[in-house]
Amino acid sequence: DSGVTQTPKHLITATGQRVTLRCSPRSGDLSVYWYQQSLDQGLQFLIQYYNGEERAKGNILERFSAQQFPDLHSELNLSSLELGDSALYFCASSVLGNQPQHFGDGTRLSIL
Amino acid sequence: EDKVVQSPLSLVVHEGDTVTLNCSYEVTNFRSLLWYKQEKKAPTFLFMLTSSGIEKKSGRLSSILDKKELFSILNITATQTGDSAIYLCAVATTDSWGKLQFGAGTQVVVTP
Repeated sequence: DSGVTQTPKHLITATGQRVTLRCSPRSGDLSVYWYQQSLDQGLQFLIQYYNGEERAKGNILERFSAQQFPDLHSELNLSSLELGDSALYFCASSVLGNQPQHFGDGTRLSIL
Repeated sequence: EDKVVQSPLSLVVHEGDTVTLNCSYEVTNFRSLLWYKQEKKAPTFLFMLTSSGIEKKSGRLSSILDKKELFSILNITATQTGDSAIYLCAVATTDSWGKLQFGAGTQVVVTP
């Protein structure tokens, strides 16, 4: 158990819908990262927050947004969902940006 | 464009064999290279390497980094069926703070 908690474990929804994925980092970790893992793209970095502020951005679609709250949990919002958004979404956390990241079990998003 | 390439893509070995996994990278402003093991769910952290030529060991697993030739090796000795997993290599750079760029992974299957 990495100490990173993600909910829900699995989400099934239809195209055009909006979903919110939630992540609670390990106790003491200030940095939260979001990754997308699909069969054809592998693990792709989406976005990073540190103590409530956005610190780094990957190839995150404009339909996707995230935030980190004062209690350090983070949410990833995905809107206008398309079939291609079906993937495993991981959250990871670390104390600082230059420390190893520890991953949650992921949320599997299935778009029908 | 930054690249992280792992080889082989997959391999099948018998219990007791030794496995060597490769990770080569082309990135600007290299900071560290990390190895993760992914079984069914979350990638779990194995090693972080920042200095060239210094081997990191944990039980039957070991890893070394060559910053001149831009590659790392992960060795698993006396393999067990529990070593079956996807092994992921990731690189962090000094200008991206926390972002990890992952390779496609090597799938290792250990047969009894």
